[in-house]
Amino acid sequence: AQKVTQAQTEISVVEKEDVTLDCVYETRDTTYYLFWYKQPPSGELVFLIRRNSFDEQNEISGRYSWNFQKSTSSFNFTITASQVVDSAVYFCALSEVNYGGSQGNLIFGKGTKLSVKP
Amino acid sequence: DTGVSQDPRHKITKRGQNVTFRCDPISEHNRLYWYRQTLGQGPEFLTYFQNEAQLEKSRLLSDRFSAERPKGSFSTLEIQRTEQGDSAMYLCASSPIQGVRYEQYFGPGTRLTVT
Repeated sequence: AQKVTQAQTEISVVEKEDVTLDCVYETRDTTYYLFWYKQPPSGELVFLIRRNSFDEQNEISGRYSWNFQKSTSSFNFTITASQVVDSAVYFCALSEVNYGGSQGNLIFGKGTKLSVKP
Repeated sequence: DTGVSQDPRHKITKRGQNVTFRCDPISEHNRLYWYRQTLGQGPEFLTYFQNEAQLEKSRLLSDRFSAERPKGSFSTLEIQRTEQGDSAMYLCASSPIQGVRYEQYFGPGTRLTVT
């Protein structure tokens, strides 16, 4: 069955610390997409990154980096030099291509609440 | 702004009443999704449209729920005879059919409180 697990419910760090948010997924599919979304207190989900199952290259975007490891079914997200504005709930999500049909429904984890204190 | 919009942002209703929410997707996006998010949980898929056709409904979508997208543009989600368990954030998302069609862009959500 398809499933996304974010084991860390809440993380609290002090500004400028690095923090890694873990994501482990389960899927029957060989072709799938993984995503990270940010949900600030305002509530709107903000798209951060999409990664397909055939591309295991790590990606860096400014202070954000993502580590995709198919061997361990993990897609972890690291924020370097965290800032107060990074405080939000972060969701990892999975979309299966073959078993999920062509509609691309997202399967979300329960989210990790990140609090960055000044 | 050309993002996904939802209306209303907040709705308080009494149990047993009907409510309707509206979603306006990004204009060039063919696909439209509805999700429900309860406190402390990730969003859960409810239903999906490609243009005006409703192609899938989750088992979460009971008979009291109905969604439409009559002209392939905006969509409405109606809940009849609301129950307290329907209290949640209802999120709408849209995505294009070509290219990065698996990237879904979300609206701000409608928070429903059933008293």
